[in-house]
Formats: sequence, C-alpha cells, structure tokens
Amino acid sequence: EAGVAQSPRYKIIEKRQSVAFWCNPISGHATLYWYQQILGQGPKLLIQFQNNGVVDDSQLPKDRFSAERLKGVDSTLKIQPAKLEDSAVYLCASSLNSRGADTQYFGPGTRLTVL
Amino acid sequence: AQSVSQHNHHVILSEAASLELGCNYSYGGTVNLFWYVQYPGQHLQLLLKYFSGDPLVKGIKGFEAEFIKSKFSFNLRKPSVQWSDTAEYFCAVNERSSASKIIFGSGTRLSIRP
Repeated sequence: EAGVAQSPRYKIIEKRQSVAFWCNPISGHATLYWYQQILGQGPKLLIQFQNNGVVDDSQLPKDRFSAERLKGVDSTLKIQPAKLEDSAVYLCASSLNSRGADTQYFGPGTRLTVL
Repeated sequence: AQSVSQHNHHVILSEAASLELGCNYSYGGTVNLFWYVQYPGQHLQLLLKYFSGDPLVKGIKGFEAEFIKSKFSFNLRKPSVQWSDTAEYFCAVNERSSASKIIFGSGTRLSIRP
C-alpha cells in the first residue's frame, strides 16, 4: 500500500516570497490533515479536510495561509507571503475517516526554511 | 483548551534498561490517547492508541502504555530497550467525538547507548 506522498521535500525561500506544498493521501482516505511542526515542538494542526470540505481550520493563519482539496484527493497548502517564523516542517496526514480514534498516517514532510 | 505535557525532553538509556516516558493531558471529558514515534529519517507513525476498554494497551515492538484516568496520564513503557528504539516519541490526545483534532505533546527524544 502506497503511503502519503508529499513534495517538495525541502524548500528554501526568502521572506515575503510565496511557496506551495503538495500532498497525495493514501487511496480511499477521506480525511486529510496539514500540520506545522516547528523545531522542538509537536505537530500542530493547521487544517483538516473531510473529502473536499473543511472540518477544522481554526489554527490556520488565514491572512497568509490557504489550502484546498478540490476533488477530495490531492491537496495543496500555500503560504503567501512567507515570514521567518513559518520555518518549520509541514506534515500531511490522512485517515480513513474523521472518527476521533482513527489512525492518522503521515507523509515524510516538507522542510521549509525562510531566510 | 486541551494540552499535553511530556516532561522529559531527552532521555538517554543503555540497552536493556527499562523505559518509562511520561505523558499528562488536561481535558475533563472522554478522550482518545495516542503514542506516535518518529525513527531517524522516517515518517511519524502510530505506536499504540487507547480509545476504550482495557486501560493497558499494547503496541508494536514491545511497547505498552497505561491510561490512568485519575491521574490524567498515559505513560509509555518498555521493559528492555534496544538500540533500534532510538527515536522521538510523541504523546497525543483528542476528545472522543467525531472529527476532533489531535493535540500533540512536544515530544521526548530517546537515545539508546549500545
């Protein structure tokens, strides 16, 4: 079974530039999550999709971050414009459904460095 | 708001030593509890989870965790660690309702001396 795919794996940009990350979840998984993991901290949920609808985006900085999952499969997360404090690993995860006990499967992450 | 505390940031043990990593959460309702692990160079993956039933949960690679409701704790244990257990371990919790988001602790880095 193929896992969660993410690209790119690494990205270095300057502040005020834009960047986009892509995620392809496990086939058949209805729920997709984007997390931000800052060095020394645990992952923090940015946004959760159920199919192509948003379930929770309460911690997404909407003035600069946006995400979409148009056809209920792949998803993109965009930052525009980036700030120094956005330097982090961005993790995508998926689960079969959004039941609380469902196991989340994580991708390898994208390490973003903002200079 | 929910929170998860992992008080040990870095634990160093010798092979065959016993392991216990602490995890406490703050939430008054019914919860699901998780331990995730990230081995060097690998993805974050589920080690074990509790959502109902026996509070002593067994996971992969000989790990277990005990849910003690009165102490709001879900400590991870292994009787004898191996060098291959070197990894970062994250405790996580969510409210036992549909679509409830998971809150992660800050993680504990475990280093095993061969």
